[in-house]
Amino acid sequence: DAGVTQSPTHLIKTRGQHVTLRCSPISGHKSVSWYQQVLGQGPQFIFQYYEKEERGRGNFPDRFSARQFPNYSSELNVNALLLGDSALYLCASSFDSGANVLTFGAGSRLTVL
Amino acid sequence: GQNIDQPTEMTATEGAIVQINCTYQTSGFNGLFWYQQHAGEAPTFLSYNVLDGLEEKGRFSSFLSRSKGYSYLLLKELQMKDSASYLCATNAGNNRKLIWGLGTSLAVNP
Repeated sequence: DAGVTQSPTHLIKTRGQHVTLRCSPISGHKSVSWYQQVLGQGPQFIFQYYEKEERGRGNFPDRFSARQFPNYSSELNVNALLLGDSALYLCASSFDSGANVLTFGAGSRLTVL
Repeated sequence: GQNIDQPTEMTATEGAIVQINCTYQTSGFNGLFWYQQHAGEAPTFLSYNVLDGLEEKGRFSSFLSRSKGYSYLLLKELQMKDSASYLCATNAGNNRKLIWGLGTSLAVNP
């Protein structure tokens, strides 16, 4: 059974560009959360989605947005990229919005030049 | 505010025992997690404590004291493959997001 899958695994963008990151949760999991992890730090919560609705939002600017599709997959969009957006973006899935154990994907490593 | 503190780095010897401490201050508390993260990989779940006491799972054990806002992860019979970052996280607040510490980088030496 496939775990949490994310794409792309690596990408390079320039300042001002836009990026879309994709995540497919574990089969049967209905909640997807997005985290940003800067090198040497712990993950920072960005969003949680459950049943296509936003259930939580972290302290990130409006340039960050996300959505969840009927098949529970999710996209994270970041507009007007800044150098500081360079990070590992982790997607995690769980069965429901209250389930606490998260299973993480391998992440998408974004480099902004 | 909400804050989690854990040591930045630790070093231990293969076969030894190491204890990684975590203190937290959160508004509301719904459990404490430990995750392991190898360099360049995603975090993987190790343990979850919601009640006071010790939870043992093979070579790894985790302890929680809610009154003290304190937890530790105990790793026994250390192996080289245990060299990784160990992240402490709490599930607090109404939106149930996880709040993470910066991680403790453990180096296991032969």
